[in-house]
Amino acid sequence: GQQVMQIPQYQHVQEGEDFTTYCNSSTTLSNIQWYKQRPGGHPVFLIQLVKSGEVKKQKRLTFQFGEAKKNSSLHITATQTTDVGTYFCACHSGGGADGLTFGKGTHLIIQP
Amino acid sequence: NAGVTQTPKFRILKIGQSMTLQCAQDMNHNYMYWYRQDPGMGLKLIYYSVGAGITDKGEVPNGYNVSRSTTEDFPLRLELAAPSQTSVYFCASSQAGGYYEQYFGPGTRLTVT
Repeated sequence: GQQVMQIPQYQHVQEGEDFTTYCNSSTTLSNIQWYKQRPGGHPVFLIQLVKSGEVKKQKRLTFQFGEAKKNSSLHITATQTTDVGTYFCACHSGGGADGLTFGKGTHLIIQP
Repeated sequence: NAGVTQTPKFRILKIGQSMTLQCAQDMNHNYMYWYRQDPGMGLKLIYYSVGAGITDKGEVPNGYNVSRSTTEDFPLRLELAAPSQTSVYFCASSQAGGYYEQYFGPGTRLTVT
């Protein structure tokens, strides 16, 4: 099945700074989903990308899917304390399993 | 709609005990999933179901069993609990498979000592 690697594992930023997390695969992906998990909470769906080179925006969040559909990124502009949490990318599992395979996540820590 | 609900929220088990984690959804979703999340780590798929009466193994099924007798419910059974099963367990549901967003329950935090 498909696998995705996320970097960095942890990111410390000052409030107001930008943040980017990357999701990479050695194989072509059919889709990428992004989820956010607040500390002590459960993952919440943010967005899905399916097209090569796709870019989607949600307020201060920008999501990109690479031209080769092997990588994706999530960029947050001017972080706020409410952005604290872990951001996961996930892709269709493939290999006969009709579900999602999650990356290990990037933990965003914001210092006021 | 309550979405996806899970019970209990917390549980402490002794080694060798058994228990069932309950999961229910009221969105009429066909697909349901069980994940475990170890501290600071991602989600690993234990079992999933594509509809009532149909279940399949995920990445880490050993030590667990599931059943799906109705569309709404997807219980996870732990037999002979071991310390390695200490984790947070999330149930999720989706309208269909890997191209649809998943809705997660609040999780069950399980400690095996």
